[in-house]
Amino acid sequence: TQLLEQSPQFLSIQEGENLTVYCNSSSVFSSLQWYRQEPGEGPVLLVTVVTGGEVKKLKRLTFQFGDARKDSSLHITAAQPGDTGLYLCAGVSAGAGSYQLTFGKGTKLSVIP
Amino acid sequence: DTEVTQTPKHLVMGMTNKKSLKCEQHMGHRAMYWYKQKAKKPPELMFVYSYEKLSINESVPSRFSPECPNSSLLNLHLHALQPEDSALYLCASRAGGTDTQYFGPGTRLTVL
Repeated sequence: TQLLEQSPQFLSIQEGENLTVYCNSSSVFSSLQWYRQEPGEGPVLLVTVVTGGEVKKLKRLTFQFGDARKDSSLHITAAQPGDTGLYLCAGVSAGAGSYQLTFGKGTKLSVIP
Repeated sequence: DTEVTQTPKHLVMGMTNKKSLKCEQHMGHRAMYWYKQKAKKPPELMFVYSYEKLSINESVPSRFSPECPNSSLLNLHLHALQPEDSALYLCASRAGGTDTQYFGPGTRLTVL
């Protein structure tokens, strides 16, 4: 069974601070995705990382994929209250024409004004 | 249009009721998914449909019955549910050959 460990589970920070969320896997996935989910809504895809060592930036968000493609991190610079939400990493498994997601437990981020 | 719609947004039902959840997308995606998400937990896969055929059933109890009547529509029929089935039910769709799933806003189900 492929597992994704995500940490921390909860994070409460002041506006303007930086933070990092970690996602570690026991095995290699085809790719790894990060989602953000707001209360009462479905997850929204932020980024997909595929290649070991890959770094992607989305405004103040920086996503890294480890060289061995087993771990990933999300770094937010100068957090804003609008960044508040549940951040989920998900490993993508591809096989027989089907793609399945294995989600980490999520990181609930609160950014206090 | 990258929208997946789900109805109803909220549903309260008794344990003897029969109800259905509906999911619709008009992106031409041929893979559709049902997930269950309990509070403060990640989504858990329930069913996968590929080209209107059920391809994956993650050992879901028979009181949940999925149906894919056409390529745009996915239903989840509910019967004799238990209070522990209360959760957010999410639908997602995916285009063939890609790994991006588009999620709907979910149906918040409460079983009394």
